[in-house]
Amino acid sequence: GQQVMQIPQYQHVQEGEDFTTYCNSSTTLSNIQWYKQRPGGHPVFLIQLVKSGEVKKQKRLTFQFGEAKKNSSLHITATQTTDVGTYFCAGPWSNYQLIWGAGTKLIIKP
Amino acid sequence: ETGVTQTPRHLVMGMTNKKSLKCEQHLGHNAMYWYKQSAKKPLELMFVYNFKEQTENNSVPSRFSPECPNSSHLFLHLHTLQPEDSALYLCASSHRGVGDTEAFFGQGTRLTVV
Repeated sequence: GQQVMQIPQYQHVQEGEDFTTYCNSSTTLSNIQWYKQRPGGHPVFLIQLVKSGEVKKQKRLTFQFGEAKKNSSLHITATQTTDVGTYFCAGPWSNYQLIWGAGTKLIIKP
Repeated sequence: ETGVTQTPRHLVMGMTNKKSLKCEQHLGHNAMYWYKQSAKKPLELMFVYNFKEQTENNSVPSRFSPECPNSSHLFLHLHTLQPEDSALYLCASSHRGVGDTEAFFGQGTRLTVV
């Protein structure tokens, strides 16, 4: 069945370092969504990418959708403590279902 | 804050208890969802309602019973749960299906089955 693989599972960074998480789908996606879940919180929508090769930026966050629409990445430049949390990608499986990646947990080293 | 409110926030129940989780959305959305989030697992979709009609049921055990009396309210009735059902239960809503539009999540109910 359709799968969305997300790596790495965890990433420890010093504050100020960059962070990247990657998603790979077994099938072509019509779009991909990214969510952030703070510790103890709930997933919050960040962005949706639709076009092949699309790149979108939100301040220090850069989102990319691959040319084949099967992979995507989220890159955070110069991480801050407010970036801590788990980042999820999700792709549609049906009109009402998303297939979720397992998430990448961003941990800032003390 | 998100427009989707879940109660209670925390619930501890015995395996023989019956309890219900409640979700209310104030966003005018047509679709509502129940998800289960367990540690180290991707989010699992349990049920979907669109315009109060159940459209998806992802092979969820019958000890979980959803109810959607109107497009703003969603319940999850729980009975004779197992310890492995302990998890964060998240309600979400979307204007159209989440296949092409964002989902808004509630803060979740942290359920512990003892």
